[in-house]
Amino acid sequence: GNSVTQMEGPVTLSEEAFLTINCTYTATGYPSLFWYVQYPGEGLQLLLKATKADDKGSNKGFEATYRKETTSFHLEKGSVQVSDSAVYFCALHDPTQGGSEKLVFGKGTKLTVNP
Amino acid sequence: DAGVIQSPRHEVTEMGQEVTLRCKPISGHNSLFWYRQTMMRGLELLIYFNNNVPIDDSGMPEDRFSAKMPNASFSTLKIQPSEPRDSAVYFCASTASGASYNEQFFGPGTRLTVL
Repeated sequence: GNSVTQMEGPVTLSEEAFLTINCTYTATGYPSLFWYVQYPGEGLQLLLKATKADDKGSNKGFEATYRKETTSFHLEKGSVQVSDSAVYFCALHDPTQGGSEKLVFGKGTKLTVNP
Repeated sequence: DAGVIQSPRHEVTEMGQEVTLRCKPISGHNSLFWYRQTMMRGLELLIYFNNNVPIDDSGMPEDRFSAKMPNASFSTLKIQPSEPRDSAVYFCASTASGASYNEQFFGPGTRLTVL
């Protein structure tokens, strides 16, 4: 079946540090890949997405590249800010799953950025 | 646009009581999802609807949980009787399903505490 594995947190960084959160996936089809972010006390919101191999999703300084050969979609940011403190979820949607709209989420990685 | 609306935002109840959580999806969206989030289990999909019809309820934990969507603008998740292990944050999300995948928009969640 489909699954998403992301690095366990928590991750604690100083402001302006480089961020990488690893995400790998297993899918029977050719999935679309997503990063969602959950700020404290809020619901999840889409951060970025990529729908085919070698696509790069980007938003708010975050980037992730769809790597089919390594089945990965690692999240990166060159210089984090205190306001980036949140929980980050990697997710996939497999269009071969009988028309299902379901997303498969990873367990989430909590990021804390200290000033 | 008001976004996905959930009520109540917080609910504290005693074991054995009935709990009803409510959700209003974004107007025009035709798929609706109920999720549960806990520290131990992370984010779990409970059930999702498409065009008001339940499509996949395999995540509903047991018969104490039920969900309805009587029309395109309203859904409920009911727990009867509630138990302390049901304490969690419950999220509702909606999307406009179609030929290509669209992002899920999450509500702010209902924090349920069962004493």
